[in-house]
Amino acid sequence: GENVEQHPSTLSVQEGDSAVIKCTYSDSASNYFPWYKQELGKRPQLIIDIRSNVGEKKDQRIAVTLNKTAKHFSLHITETQPEDSAVYFCAASTVGNEKLTFGTGTRLTIIP
Amino acid sequence: DGGITQSPKYLFRKEGQNVTLSCEQNLNHDAMYWYRQDPGQGLRLIYYSQIVNDFQKGDIAEGYSVSREKKESFPLTVTSAQKNPTAFYLCASSDLAGVEQYFGPGTRLTVT
Repeated sequence: GENVEQHPSTLSVQEGDSAVIKCTYSDSASNYFPWYKQELGKRPQLIIDIRSNVGEKKDQRIAVTLNKTAKHFSLHITETQPEDSAVYFCAASTVGNEKLTFGTGTRLTIIP
Repeated sequence: DGGITQSPKYLFRKEGQNVTLSCEQNLNHDAMYWYRQDPGQGLRLIYYSQIVNDFQKGDIAEGYSVSREKKESFPLTVTSAQKNPTAFYLCASSDLAGVEQYFGPGTRLTVT
């Protein structure tokens, strides 16, 4: 089955700087890669996703890049703000197979 | 916080007792999921269901059981066979045609 590894497990960034979280996956058939944000005590929520026919996707201050050859994808957050502090999870699946495999999460702390 | 609900928010049980966690959705989604979240381990899939009266084991199904008698409901029973049941349990749903999963607010189960 699919295995998703996520690094780093914790990340502290000065407010205004950029943050990068990286994930690798094992199943070359995976073609859907979402990122979820979970604030303290709240439910995970989708913030951005990418499909394997696209190499990069951007939504305001967040972007995701995908390298299918190397089987890794990354989340980039620019101009970080205190409200970006949360746990971020990457995941992978195959479209048509609704089962998502999640990474172990990255706790991002923005230092004011 | 409509769409997908879980109850109760906190649940306390004595060891050896079975306990059932509720999950209801009004999104008309076909697929529903149960995850367990432990610190540092991300989201691990317990069971999922793609259609009424059918469900499949996830990665950590031992000690758990589910039913899917109605499209909008997917209750999870944590049995006394589950060795370490104390955890945060998240329910999710998705449209079969897409893969974004919508999460409920979660139930924190404590077994002593």
